[in-house]
Amino acid sequence: QSALTQPRSVSGSPGQSVTISCTGTSSDVGGYNYVAWYQQHPGKVPKLMIYDVTKRPSGVPDRFSASKSGNTASLTISGLQAEDEADYYCSSHGGGKYVVFGGGTKLTVL
Amino acid sequence: EVQLLESGGGLVQPGGSLRLSCAASGFTFGNYAMGWVRQAPGKGLQWLSSINESGGRTYYADSVKGRFTISRDNSKNTLYLQMISLSADDSALYYCAKAITVTTAACDYWGQGTLVTVSS
Repeated sequence: QSALTQPRSVSGSPGQSVTISCTGTSSDVGGYNYVAWYQQHPGKVPKLMIYDVTKRPSGVPDRFSASKSGNTASLTISGLQAEDEADYYCSSHGGGKYVVFGGGTKLTVL
Repeated sequence: EVQLLESGGGLVQPGGSLRLSCAASGFTFGNYAMGWVRQAPGKGLQWLSSINESGGRTYYADSVKGRFTISRDNSKNTLYLQMISLSADDSALYYCAKAITVTTAACDYWGQGTLVTVSS
């Protein structure tokens, strides 16, 4: 049972935009500006795409953006490309729990 | 180049123990918090534990508190995870990961993982 709630799957066509939500509580997502997003291709290591709610690590395309409103964080991928097809996980500082992950969202590029 | 190399995984019987290691290179190990995350086959990521730069502060998920102990040796650039009382639910690929900054637990580098299988 994951602490943060993500949709199990989302899909979009090449060139379109998709948004993945991540819902927590005031004790995690809503309480801290420490939301992160990871991309994981099958059989590969997770890759950090966003940290501290909106920051992109060096090398991450600006097609990836994120935001937070209340207890819900969102990752938006614009100009969808075939290589974006992957699983995406959100995480947040969770106070006493320190770090909590979402259950993951499978992005399918149609 | 940052490298994290986990070792110590393997097959262990229920109730057994293992100690995982993560050898770090390519960055100043003692300047960054580190953590362990696991992923059971076909499942999502599960944070297990984190440790601050000096090793003086540690954090655990409820599911492993009291059974797992995280530690680090900054002189050896190595992170550890001591695991006891293992059960089948602990079977997973265990990753060590480096925090991207001193203020966040988000991790920008991950090892390839070491597989732990708990089975009789």
